[in-house]
Amino acid sequence: GESVGLHLPTLSVQEGDNSIINCAYSNSASDYFIWYKQESGKGPQFIIDIRSNMDKRQGQRVTVLLNKTVKHLSLQIAATQPGDSAVYFCAETYQAGTALIFGKGTTLSVSS
Amino acid sequence: EPEVTQTPSHQVTQMGQEVILRCVPISNHLYFYWYRQILGQKVEFLVSFYNNEISEKSEIFDDQFSVERPDGSNFTLKIRSTKLEDSAMYFCASSGRTGDTDTQYFGPGTRLTVL
Repeated sequence: GESVGLHLPTLSVQEGDNSIINCAYSNSASDYFIWYKQESGKGPQFIIDIRSNMDKRQGQRVTVLLNKTVKHLSLQIAATQPGDSAVYFCAETYQAGTALIFGKGTTLSVSS
Repeated sequence: EPEVTQTPSHQVTQMGQEVILRCVPISNHLYFYWYRQILGQKVEFLVSFYNNEISEKSEIFDDQFSVERPDGSNFTLKIRSTKLEDSAMYFCASSGRTGDTDTQYFGPGTRLTVL
């Protein structure tokens, strides 16, 4: 797998590797965090979310980790597939119905 | 699976013209949003709408912008006099289904090109 300690705009991995995408969020009062996947020409697609009272949440092949101490969020994708190639954005908000603040995206490229 | 839909997919207009971008949020959602994304940049919040009024707006959402929910299903964004810098992808989103109030689901976007 490949790990990214700081935010990088691009990440290239081989099919089958594990991918880790990092994000630093801005507001310590944020309560809810979401990872979105955006394919070319499409809108952001919900992947997984986590609330501030949790530090880890798992989905199908994806895990989100939250470190509130350093305001850091990461997305782990297991057994990365070519279909995972996209731009990944983290987003934060402090209350339901309020603005999502998006982070800088990371372009994930998966080669087979 | 219910989806947010948007029309048109691509809108080309002359600078100074008015445009209306249309969205049909997921039914039974309560909160509606507009975001924009300039090519190659991150998604930026414009406005949120709840209970038939604006609940929050960003600095981008100035007097040239307005939103409306003209009926029970549509949600529109109007730009009164477009500028070159309004060229972007505009995304509508909705949230607020019972038991899942936070997750915002996005539509496919409208690409606005101002010439």
